Amino acid sequence: DSGVTQTPKHLITATGQRVTLRCSPRSGDLSVYWYQQSLDQGLQFLIQYYNGEERAKGNILERFSAQQFPDLHSELNLSSLELGDSALYFCASSVGLAGSYEQYFGPGTRLTVT
Amino acid sequence: QQQVKQSPQSLIVQKGGISIINCAYENTAFDYFPWYQQFPGKGPALLIAIRPDVSEKKEGRFTISFNKSAKQFSLHIMDSQPGDSATYFCAASKASNYQLIWGAGTKLIIKP
Repeated sequence: DSGVTQTPKHLITATGQRVTLRCSPRSGDLSVYWYQQSLDQGLQFLIQYYNGEERAKGNILERFSAQQFPDLHSELNLSSLELGDSALYFCASSVGLAGSYEQYFGPGTRLTVT
Repeated sequence: QQQVKQSPQSLIVQKGGISIINCAYENTAFDYFPWYQQFPGKGPALLIAIRPDVSEKKEGRFTISFNKSAKQFSLHIMDSQPGDSATYFCAASKASNYQLIWGAGTKLIIKP
């Protein structure tokens, strides 16, 4: 158990809908990362927050947005969902800002868009 | 320049054999090279990491070999076991950057 929690575990929704994925980082970690992993694909970095502020952006679509709250939990909002958005979404946390800090991954949220 | 190229995409090794996964990078500013291991249905977890001031790091059956001049690093799994069957990701970062640059992953299957 990494100490990172993600909810929900599974999500099934229809095209055009909007969903919110939630992540609670490990106690003491200030950085939160969001990743997308499609079936048999690698990890696509989406976005990073550090202590409430956006710090790095990867291949995140304009239909996706995220935020980190004062209690350090984070939410990833996915809107106008398309079939291609079906994937595993991972949240990871680390104690520091730089990429050289170990990232602890949550169990993921499996999103299915029908 | 930001890419990390990982090979092979998949690998089948007999139990007891040596598994070798390779990664190559272009950006000479990278100074941290971790390997993550991911089991099906789970998130990746840090396995072992190296910095460019050493050419090799060993932790149990897992060894990272680092070749700075060739801009390559590799993961060696000695005495591979069925429990090592997983997807392995290499990655790289530089101190001034806030994110890891990930390889595409290698699906390793150890046959009993």
